[in-house]
Amino acid sequence: QVQLQQWGAGLLKPSETLSLTCAVYGGSFSGYYWSWIRQPPGKGLEWIGEINHSGSTSYNPSLKSRVTISVDTSKNQFSLKLSSVTAADTAVYYCARGKGGSGSYRGVYYYYYYMDVWGKGTTFTVSS
Amino acid sequence: SSELTQDPAVSVALGQTVRITCQGDSLRSYYASWYQQKPGQAPVLVIYGKNNRPSGIPDRFSGSSSGYTASLTITGAQAEDEADYYCNSRDSGGNHVVFGGGTKLTVL
Repeated sequence: QVQLQQWGAGLLKPSETLSLTCAVYGGSFSGYYWSWIRQPPGKGLEWIGEINHSGSTSYNPSLKSRVTISVDTSKNQFSLKLSSVTAADTAVYYCARGKGGSGSYRGVYYYYYYMDVWGKGTTFTVSS
Repeated sequence: SSELTQDPAVSVALGQTVRITCQGDSLRSYYASWYQQKPGQAPVLVIYGKNNRPSGIPDRFSGSSSGYTASLTITGAQAEDEADYYCNSRDSGGNHVVFGGGTKLTVL
């Protein structure tokens, strides 16, 4: 069974860089999207960005200027860096495995995407 | 638009049926996936694709879609179903991932 284990420092000062790593255990790294998602206290889920096994990335346009996601396939790990943090970046950060695809049903093409495996979450607090 | 819209809160009497909806342009071409999140826990996938349940998800959970709206239906809601529910898909261009704002389900 695939498991995601994530780690990173939990307390940052404004303007510092948040760094998180997520390790994938028990499954293949290829063929999936590897995402970072965050959830501010009392709020909903916000997608930060993703990477695939070949290193192709996609970022949330609202965070793109500050986000870097990288992958180390030799270790089955992927990482998040978020620069110039402020109090608004205080949140629980999750890593997750995503899978997408397409098909047809009664002649109509459709697409699907879902995140089936999640890390337990890491709480980051930004405070001076 | 790359947004998904959900009602903030829904309630249901114990044992009754409840439908949670999600609207967005991307749902015209993407099936939504649905996640259950209980306080202090990571989200759990409950429905994906046309109407598929991961192993371990009770069959009282089902999904459907029509046009720009996706729905999660819980038939015979249980006390343990009280949670936040989020819908998710990629945006219309397929380049980014989007989440709905979440629906807080209360089981009365």
